[in-house]
Amino acid sequence: DQQVKQNSPSLSVQEGRISILNCDYTNSMFDYFLWYKKYPAEGPTFLISISSIKDKNEDGRFTVFLNKSAKHLSLHIVPSQPGDSAVYFCALSGGSSNTGKLIFGQGTTLQVKP
Amino acid sequence: NAGVTQTPKFRILKIGQSMTLQCTQDMNHNYMYWYRQDPGMGLKLIYYSVGAGITDKGEVPNGYNVSRSTTEDFPLRLELAAPSQTSVYFCASSYPTGLSSYEQYFGPGTRLTVT
Repeated sequence: DQQVKQNSPSLSVQEGRISILNCDYTNSMFDYFLWYKKYPAEGPTFLISISSIKDKNEDGRFTVFLNKSAKHLSLHIVPSQPGDSAVYFCALSGGSSNTGKLIFGQGTTLQVKP
Repeated sequence: NAGVTQTPKFRILKIGQSMTLQCTQDMNHNYMYWYRQDPGMGLKLIYYSVGAGITDKGEVPNGYNVSRSTTEDFPLRLELAAPSQTSVYFCASSYPTGLSSYEQYFGPGTRLTVT
């Protein structure tokens, strides 16, 4: 039973437009939410995060939205650039123990076309 | 800082062989993790450690062992390799402080094939 789902395996957008990546979860105990970006043959790199006490966090072109009632997380990239083409993972932490463990979604491959 | 380093980058094993995947971090992070990523899937936690001498199982620990004798090193041991262990393995570390307590730093990965 997957606790974290990224239902879109892939997304293609035009350069300059908005990219919206989505993530749904089932356990309301999750209290910290992160997005990671991964290029081929590299490890994931941290992009942006949000705690459960907030509903929005912005960092430059990247904004993460959290809808706790819907158990839904989204990442907006505006404007999208070709260099944003990568696999994006959402990762969630339960926060109930001091282990820092994360549960990852399956990933969405974003392609930004010039 | 080199961050998190992993060796080897690639390895091909025969069924039944054993090997150790090395992971070292130079950020003085207390917490370290091993994940595997299968094609089209997310990362699944194999083992983790919250400090030297302390390790615990993650979601998919069967067929693996770990040790943590120092803060810097967290090797992953595969005993009796099986084709189901063909995957990309990532090591990560984190230092739980304040709002960044869950941000993990990843190594470049080890691509393992078992045939």
